[in-house]
Amino acid sequence: KAGVTQTPRYLIKTRGQQVTLSCSPISGHRSVSWYQQTPGQGLQFLFEYFSETQRNKGNFPGRFSGRQFSNSRSEMNVSTLELGDSALYLCASSLTGTKNIQYFGAGTRLSVL
Amino acid sequence: DAKTTQPTSMDCAEGRAANLPCNHSTISGNEYVYWYRQIHSQGPQYIIHGLKNNETNEMASLIITEDRKSSTLILPHATLRDTAVYYCIGSGNTGKLIFGQGTTLQVKP
Repeated sequence: KAGVTQTPRYLIKTRGQQVTLSCSPISGHRSVSWYQQTPGQGLQFLFEYFSETQRNKGNFPGRFSGRQFSNSRSEMNVSTLELGDSALYLCASSLTGTKNIQYFGAGTRLSVL
Repeated sequence: DAKTTQPTSMDCAEGRAANLPCNHSTISGNEYVYWYRQIHSQGPQYIIHGLKNNETNEMASLIITEDRKSSTLILPHATLRDTAVYYCIGSGNTGKLIFGQGTTLQVKP
């Protein structure tokens, strides 16, 4: 069974631009969660999607948004990029997201210049 | 979600058991204790989880105290590949994981 796939693996953007990251969950998994990892703040929860609906949201500004498609694939978007958005963005999938094991992808490393 | 406290770093000799403690005194009755590890900027990897009883799988054992206020992850025969940051997480019925700073385990030859 294929694992969680995140694309692209690396991305370089400039301030003010926007970016879209993609996550393909494990087949059969319906919950997708997104996390941001930075050296200063560690791993922080962004949001979770289940059946195309945002079910949980972390404490991030509205510039961070996401969506989930009917095949459970998910995208997250960051608009008006800031230098502080440079981070490793991780996606995790689980069967239903509640009391289920989350399986993480390798992440997308975003650098904002 | 429960707040967890872990030592910042630990060392372990290769081939010996690594015992990683975690304090989760605020954990509620329906929250599980999860352990993940992250090897140098890869995605976190699930290790084990439990509610009340001790658990064992092919990777590790999890010992949870009777009052559920603390737990210990045991890697029975640590190898150099077990060098990683280990996260203890108390998580309920929310579908999100709140990561702390974790414990950096250094396995030495």
